Amino acid sequence: DAKTTQPPSMDCAEGRAANLPCNHSTISGNEYVYWYRQIHSQGPQYIIHGLKNNETNEMASLIITEDRKSSTLILPHATLRDTAVYYCIVLPRGTASKLTFGTGTRLQVTL
Amino acid sequence: NAGVTQTPKFQVLKTGQSMTLQCAQDMNHEYMSWYRQDPGMGLRLIHYSVGAGITDQGEVPNGYNVSRSTTEDFPLRLLSAAPSQTSVYFCASSPGTVPDTQYFGPGTRLTVL
Repeated sequence: DAKTTQPPSMDCAEGRAANLPCNHSTISGNEYVYWYRQIHSQGPQYIIHGLKNNETNEMASLIITEDRKSSTLILPHATLRDTAVYYCIVLPRGTASKLTFGTGTRLQVTL
Repeated sequence: NAGVTQTPKFQVLKTGQSMTLQCAQDMNHEYMSWYRQDPGMGLRLIHYSVGAGITDQGEVPNGYNVSRSTTEDFPLRLLSAAPSQTSVYFCASSPGTVPDTQYFGPGTRLTVL
């Protein structure tokens, strides 16, 4: 599976958009980008995934560059409850047997 | 749906004791997995299963056994607890036989003295 690189930490003011970057320059053609988050002391939570087109759901938007070497998770109006560690993971959709978490980005949303 | 449930929520063991962490899901998911998360650290995969009767090892399987006799249940057995197994244990399940979009349980916090 392709390796991902994320900044260790980011801050965001409440009400503003939080843009979390992820670099996956070695991504293969059949690999999707998945995002999870883990709020303190809770189990991880799946957020969104995509292949090459931009995706949006009720939680977030995912923007993947045209060359697919990087992506950005956007929380359009961050709240204090969005403070969490966010994980970007690359997987071949439908064929992987294991999902491995890296170190992620710790997002701190402040007043 | 209750989703993924884990029992107990908290457990304290003495070194050498054995116990089983319970995990159940009511979503008819084929894929289930166990992770551990040490204090301040990342999640590491212990074991996983792609369906009843099928299990396989993850990154850190030593000291743990699993079985999958039903689709709903995926218990994790600690054979002889050691202080190094002090951790939070998360169980998860996913639709189909792949781990792509997993639903996680609330975790079991285990302390081994």
